[in-house]
Amino acid sequence: EAQVTQNPRYLITVTGKKLTVTCSQNMNHEYMSWYRQDPGLGLRQIYYSMNVEVTDKGDVPEGYKVSRKEKRNFPLILESPSPNQTSLYFCASSLRGGVFFEQFFGPGTRLTVL
Amino acid sequence: GDSVTQMEGPVTLSEEAFLTINCTYTATGYPSLFWYVQYPGEGLQLLLKATKADDKGSNKGFEATYRKETTSFHLEKGSVQVSDSAVYFCALSDFSGTSGTYKYIFGTGTRLKVLA
Repeated sequence: EAQVTQNPRYLITVTGKKLTVTCSQNMNHEYMSWYRQDPGLGLRQIYYSMNVEVTDKGDVPEGYKVSRKEKRNFPLILESPSPNQTSLYFCASSLRGGVFFEQFFGPGTRLTVL
Repeated sequence: GDSVTQMEGPVTLSEEAFLTINCTYTATGYPSLFWYVQYPGEGLQLLLKATKADDKGSNKGFEATYRKETTSFHLEKGSVQVSDSAVYFCALSDFSGTSGTYKYIFGTGTRLKVLA
């Protein structure tokens, strides 16, 4: 089944404790992206990757890191989480980074930083 | 910069009622437009899309027409069902000549609740 998977689905952590949210897709997509969803703000892009070893900042990259060493994986790293990073996070992928391509979303990771 | 504005919810309708969710956009280039739907506890999934002016996207009884003259992409359905209860996001994809990158911009989402 074609899908985007994320782990963990739920995470409660404390301020400053490094964490990684994994994202994997099995559709051989070139483009991958991370979003955060907050009430009243919709989805905001954190980072994206046009292909392996090519990443760039989205609209809200502060406090996050990413890497794209393999085509299928795009982990999101919070080196020192803070309470304002409490949010619902989505990974997404599309065939390519282009105007015409829709995105396929993972099920989401709900993160709480205490 | 590019932006998407959609009507605030929640929208509450009775089953079989007509649905309209308004969406307008601003864009510097020639964007594609999308509607995504998010069911409770799930990620977003594509509902329909349109890639150029006057295109009509349609799926599962939902329709939206890309209107360049009014910069709009309103979502409509003739007869809603309880199973349509979800959050609907309007979105655009555009190319930024300044940065040489593609941007995906989402609206804030509109919650639809359909009562039996």
